Amino acid sequence: EVQLVQSGAEVNKPGESLRISCKGSGYSFTTYWIDWVRQMPGKGLEWMGRVDPSDSYTNYSPSFHGHVTISVDKSINTAYLQWSSLKASDTAMYYCARAEGVDGNFLDYWGQGTLVTVSS
Amino acid sequence: QSALTQPPSASGSPGQSVTISCTGTSSDIGGYNFVSWYQQHPGKAPKLIIFEVSKRASGVPDRFSGSKSGNTASLTVSGLQAEDEGDYYCSSYAGSMHLVFGGGTKLTVL
Repeated sequence: EVQLVQSGAEVNKPGESLRISCKGSGYSFTTYWIDWVRQMPGKGLEWMGRVDPSDSYTNYSPSFHGHVTISVDKSINTAYLQWSSLKASDTAMYYCARAEGVDGNFLDYWGQGTLVTVSS
Repeated sequence: QSALTQPPSASGSPGQSVTISCTGTSSDIGGYNFVSWYQQHPGKAPKLIIFEVSKRASGVPDRFSGSKSGNTASLTVSGLQAEDEGDYYCSSYAGSMHLVFGGGTKLTVL
């Protein structure tokens, strides 16, 4: 069974750093890109970017490039999303998802989400 | 990359059909047959229902169907059921390994 299991909810202060994780199982982890999607409170889905677990190549949405870092450790089937300096506006639910199809054009399995709350 | 445009809400009575539109540009929806649709219930992760314009994901009932014409894609839900109520998001491949989502449509079953 394909599963993406994300790390637990986080509460951080502005300016702090943070890394959240997404562990894949039940499939060949290096065969599929892992994407990250943001959902701000009461809002829609926003595609942030993706990582190729086979070679760690990353691709970011222009809206998020430079604001977050996506990485992967294929030895433990885990992808990461990290911030070096959180802002209150980073408060959101973050989902990882497996990208399938030509050029990863759809997301077939999703993690349960990680709620990040940034507040002083 | 601008978000795709969806109506904020749609509704229908049980047994009726409802269609949700998703409008993009020639750089995303119009340029590729790579439109997907996701269903999200409150407090849950999104779930893939349609991929590559009209293919149903595994386990999705045939009441759900997708289509595309030019820069606009559509999701039709036939024979509405109470459990179809939720938020629906379209997505399109936008080139350069990028995806873009629509703003979402809240479907209410009256």
